[in-house]
Amino acid sequence: EAQVTQNPRYLITVTGKKLTVTCSQNMNHEYMSWYRQDPGLGLRQIYYSMNVEVTDKGDVPEGYKVSRKEKRNFPLILESPSPNQTSLYFCASSSPWTSGTNEQFFGPGTRLTVL
Amino acid sequence: SQQGEEDPQALSIQEGENATMNCSYKTSINNLQWYRQNSGRGLVHLILIRSNEREKHSGRLRVTLDTSKKSSSLLITASRAADTASYFCATSPNSGNTPLVFGKGTRLSVIA
Repeated sequence: EAQVTQNPRYLITVTGKKLTVTCSQNMNHEYMSWYRQDPGLGLRQIYYSMNVEVTDKGDVPEGYKVSRKEKRNFPLILESPSPNQTSLYFCASSSPWTSGTNEQFFGPGTRLTVL
Repeated sequence: SQQGEEDPQALSIQEGENATMNCSYKTSINNLQWYRQNSGRGLVHLILIRSNEREKHSGRLRVTLDTSKKSSSLLITASRAADTASYFCATSPNSGNTPLVFGKGTRLSVIA
């Protein structure tokens, strides 16, 4: 089954404790992206990657890191989480250069709480 | 930066009625997409309309695009309780197709 998976789905942590949210897709998509969703603010893009070893900042990259060492994986790293990073996070992937559109496939989401 | 703005923010209708949601955007686009999100879950792609198209249908969905007004509408006909969800428009502002910019969404409630 074609899908985007994220782990963990739920995470409660404390300020300053480094964490990684994994994202993996099995559709051979070139493009992957991370979003955060907050009430009243909609979806905001954190980082995106157009291919292996190519990453770019989105609208709200501060406090986050990403890497794209393999095509299928795009982990989101919070080196020193803070309470304002409490949010619902989504990973998404697409294949714009192959399909001709950037229709995005979303993961199920990771609900992160930073105390 | 958010480009798409959905209107209304919330909509409540009876089952069987039609639901219309609107999206306005600011800059030229390559395409506009509509997504659906059930509470707390990932977004699901519904339909894409390209900048050179004016109308598109998919089942009970009808999307229109007016590039001169920089607006789009999503019509769901004969709504069902299962259509209750949030609906987002997303614009692709560059000819290179990336990245998508999402609006804040319309929360649709369909009452049985």
